[in-house]
Amino acid sequence: QQPVQSPQAVILREGEDAVINCSSSKALYSVHWYRQKHGEAPVFLMILLKGGEQKGHEKISASFNEKKQQSSLYLTASQLSYSGTYFCGTERGNTGNQFYFGTGTSLTVIP
Amino acid sequence: DAGVTQSPTHLIKTRGQHVTLRCSPISGHKSVSWYQQVLGQGPQFIFQYYEKEERGRGNFPDRFSARQFPNYSSELNVNALLLGDSALYLCASSLGLGGTTLSNQPQHFGDGTRLSIL
Repeated sequence: QQPVQSPQAVILREGEDAVINCSSSKALYSVHWYRQKHGEAPVFLMILLKGGEQKGHEKISASFNEKKQQSSLYLTASQLSYSGTYFCGTERGNTGNQFYFGTGTSLTVIP
Repeated sequence: DAGVTQSPTHLIKTRGQHVTLRCSPISGHKSVSWYQQVLGQGPQFIFQYYEKEERGRGNFPDRFSARQFPNYSSELNVNALLLGDSALYLCASSLGLGGTTLSNQPQHFGDGTRLSIL
């Protein structure tokens, strides 16, 4: 039930772009994106809602394809501060609410 | 404004003991969720509480329980601790607008409680 992310890990040079993908086997009604730096708590980046509404970060963009049950996070002109592990997440549950984080993508930006 | 606060920050217990972890949400947030994060993995959903009632439960044994108080703070209790319970326990709060759903609102995380079982 956990969303699957790709790639698992990526190394970028400062200024390069990256795309992180999130794919679900079940219907997605919304997708969250979080970044977690080593030893720290996850930090909210963005929510993409069914129907196209987007809430979140100014410098990071994302797309949400409801039919394909996929979302992609776009990091442009990466900075050293972008390093961390990125998680997508979605709510799901047959009874009550359950929130599932994806498998994670480790992003390292080097000078 | 203060963020989500969790206590204690670190805790060492032995097998068979029980533990209580505490969380204070951001002021005005009515929903609190608990997650377990094992080293190298993503957070795993344990519970969601909204307006003092359990609204969601993950795939965790009955040794795990929680509650939410009238001021929206929350406690996570774990009984009969096992070595495998060693993890970072994260609390997240959200506004709770529109009811219990987590899908359309950001979750704001505390720094977590690092629990080690010996």
